[in-house]
Amino acid sequence: DAGVTQSPTHLIKTRGQQVTLRCSPISGHKSVSWYQQVLGQGPQFIFQYYEKEERGRGNFPDRFSARQFPNYSSELNVNALLLGDSALYLCASRPEQALGTEQFFGPGTRLTVL
Amino acid sequence: DAKTTQPPSMDCAEGRAANLPCNHSTISGNEYVYWYRQIHSQGPQYIIHGLKNNETNEMASLIITEDRKSSTLILPHATLRDTAVYYCIVRVASGTYKYIFGTGTRLKVLA
Repeated sequence: DAGVTQSPTHLIKTRGQQVTLRCSPISGHKSVSWYQQVLGQGPQFIFQYYEKEERGRGNFPDRFSARQFPNYSSELNVNALLLGDSALYLCASRPEQALGTEQFFGPGTRLTVL
Repeated sequence: DAKTTQPPSMDCAEGRAANLPCNHSTISGNEYVYWYRQIHSQGPQYIIHGLKNNETNEMASLIITEDRKSSTLILPHATLRDTAVYYCIVRVASGTYKYIFGTGTRLKVLA
């Protein structure tokens, strides 16, 4: 079975631009989460979506937004890019909100803001 | 969610067991312990998780102390491919499904 897929793999933008990152969860997984990983640090939680509804939001500005589609794929949007938004953006999926189940991460999208 | 404390780095000889400790002294009764690893900026890879009992799978063993305030991930026969950053994560078993990552332990397996 295919794992979590993300696109694009790499992206270069300039300050002030907007970017959209895409994630396809593992087939049958209904929950998608987004994380930001700055170089040298652990991933930081941005959003969680389950059944197309936002179920959690991390400490990120309103420039960050996301949505989940009926097929459970998801997009992360970042507006007015700053240099500090340069990071690896990770998507993770899990089957449902069941207790104790693990989530599986995709390979990430490397965003560079110049 | 409880915070975790891990040593920043460890070395292990190839073929020997790697024992990675994690302190989670503020863990609550319904919080699970998860272990992931990340190899060179790839996505984190799930290893194992547990609540109270020790767990074992094809990758590793997880030993959780009786008071649940610490745990140890054991890689029984470390190989060079096990060189990675290992994250210990504690999260509540309900509500927003989010992981709070620390800085992890950078394990280097030496030939």
